[in-house]
Amino acid sequence: IAGITQAPTSQILAAGRRMTLRCTQDMRHNAMYWYRQDLGLGLRLIHYSNTAGTTGKGEVPDGYSVSRANTDDFPLTLASAVPSQTSVYFCASSRDREPNEQFFGPGTRLTVL
Amino acid sequence: GQNIDQPTEMTATEGAIVQINCTYQTSGFNGLFWYQQHAGEAPTFLSYNVLDGLEEKGRFSSFLSRSKGYSYLLLKELQMKDSASYLCAVRDSNYQLIWGAGTKLIIKP
Repeated sequence: IAGITQAPTSQILAAGRRMTLRCTQDMRHNAMYWYRQDLGLGLRLIHYSNTAGTTGKGEVPDGYSVSRANTDDFPLTLASAVPSQTSVYFCASSRDREPNEQFFGPGTRLTVL
Repeated sequence: GQNIDQPTEMTATEGAIVQINCTYQTSGFNGLFWYQQHAGEAPTFLSYNVLDGLEEKGRFSSFLSRSKGYSYLLLKELQMKDSASYLCAVRDSNYQLIWGAGTKLIIKP
């Protein structure tokens, strides 16, 4: 089934630990995105990639890093987790940067204690 | 700064019509999107407007006025399954989406 998968579904993490959230799409979309969603706030862009091999910073990139080694995968890494990174993380993809709709993965609920 | 405003919560009755408003102030404009998000799930695409006017898609319609920085989503013949959050997002001059906090729509029988 075509779409986006994310792993893990949820995770509880101790502060200071390193964590990688995985995202894979099989739609051959060029652009991919990582958002965080917090109660009362809109989705906020963390990092994006317009095509394999390139990445860019979004609105809230501090404390996060990404890589885009191929078209399908776009992992998000928290080098040293802090409690303020407790959130729901969504990965999304679109065929190209513009003006296409974005397709979202099911999300990862992350709690940092 | 960039800002998207939408009501936090609205209540409507099954079978009725509801209009969810969105006003925006962004650095540039390259289209406005509406997404639906059921509780605990991912957002899903509803509509896209880049020119002024009304776009109709079944029970859902979306309107845009670029000069007023305003859009609305109109839902007709409301069904219980329409209970969800509705997210307004604007694509800015950098082609990044700026998202509103969403409007939680509660449908009562």
